[in-house]
Amino acid sequence: SQQGEEDPQALSIQEGENATMNCSYKTSINNLQWYRQNSGRGLVHLILIRSNEREKHSGRLRVTLDTSKKSSSLLITASRAADTASYFCATAGYSGAGSYQLTFGKGTKLSVIP
Amino acid sequence: NAGVTQTPKFQVLKTGQSMTLQCAQDMNHNSMYWYRQDPGMGLRLIYYSASEGTTDKGEVPNGYNVSRLNKREFSLRLESAAPSQTSVYFCASRVTGTSTDTQYFGPGTRLTVL
Repeated sequence: SQQGEEDPQALSIQEGENATMNCSYKTSINNLQWYRQNSGRGLVHLILIRSNEREKHSGRLRVTLDTSKKSSSLLITASRAADTASYFCATAGYSGAGSYQLTFGKGTKLSVIP
Repeated sequence: NAGVTQTPKFQVLKTGQSMTLQCAQDMNHNSMYWYRQDPGMGLRLIYYSASEGTTDKGEVPNGYNVSRLNKREFSLRLESAAPSQTSVYFCASRVTGTSTDTQYFGPGTRLTVL
């Protein structure tokens, strides 16, 4: 079953604007990760935030995590046409069978218009 | 350093045919994973291998088998393909450390079962 659920499913913005994507999850996690997927390609790891962290930055990316609400957000500032891609949140934790797994949401498709 | 490689890139099968998807990584990672990605469904874990010599089922293992041939290679086999297995298949390897937990993905295999 899907753990993370991204919102919105699709987002279209102008170049230079900020893009915000949200992710909600259901069970306890060890960490939460965000990945980017360009059309027809594999996923690329962007950033990781641990369960005891509230905010993390990496270049133009800002991730927040609220474990009380079981939610995270990814902010991309000053967006560029090259940021056009699908973005997935993935929660890392132990499954019911006791194995450590990464569970992906359905993704947000971001389009940045030049 | 090629990262994670997958072969083939594309494959068309008839119902009932069998095939093996190959995956190799040159990053000396212990853990490797097979996912499938369907439209609007995000990625779902099929099988994983936490280390050489071990394999475990993920969320959607039915109809698949895997082999962890050595530390580098992790193959996925469809014994009797069905149209429901039409999907894009991604292999990944994982590195963990005190400040990292990252999966590296291959470029994917696009499989169509007629």
